[in-house]
Amino acid sequence: DVKVTQSSRYLVKRTGEKVFLECVQDMDHENMFWYRQDPGLGLRLIYFSYDVKMKEKGDIPEGYSVSREKKERFSLILESASTNQTSMYLCASSVLTEKLFFGSGTQLSVL
Amino acid sequence: DQQVKQNSPSLSVQEGRISILNCDYTNSMFDYFLWYKKYPAEGPTFLISISSIKDKNEDGRFTVFLNKSAKHLSLHIVPSQPGDSAVYFCAFTGNQFYFGTGTSLTVIP
Repeated sequence: DVKVTQSSRYLVKRTGEKVFLECVQDMDHENMFWYRQDPGLGLRLIYFSYDVKMKEKGDIPEGYSVSREKKERFSLILESASTNQTSMYLCASSVLTEKLFFGSGTQLSVL
Repeated sequence: DQQVKQNSPSLSVQEGRISILNCDYTNSMFDYFLWYKKYPAEGPTFLISISSIKDKNEDGRFTVFLNKSAKHLSLHIVPSQPGDSAVYFCAFTGNQFYFGTGTSLTVIP
């Protein structure tokens, strides 16, 4: 079974803090994604990566950056956390574009 | 521009009856159509999919229907069970994945 592991289930941070969300997948997938889920807005794509060292902006990249130094690891960085970044963050991986495998999610609260 | 729409934010169904969740899309170039199920505080899990060359796919209690001329996707759950209560997202793939806003299904015992 594919396993996508997100480092934290719950995080509480202060406004202005730099926040790192880590994601690791164990199936050698080329593609990795970061989404956020908010009530009534569905899943919105923040960033994605089709290979090591490459990244592409999704629909809502503002206030975020990403890092993919190794194939299995894709990190999401909030450079200076703000209250409107309080959300559920979901990492996912895939082979091609047939099916996404999601991690358990990180519920981030920014106070 | 929203390419994928789930117009019903919520749906309540009696246990044992049929649940029908709907999704509309605008882009004719999608390759695969998928449904995901999500419980609170968990990541979405894949439920069922259908390729653009088919119009029906069945897996146990779950059936997905694709109407390409109407650009409409639906998920039927028969019979519905209380454990089916969750948020359901439709998704479409082309060069990336596009998700709907979700429908919260409540199955009443």
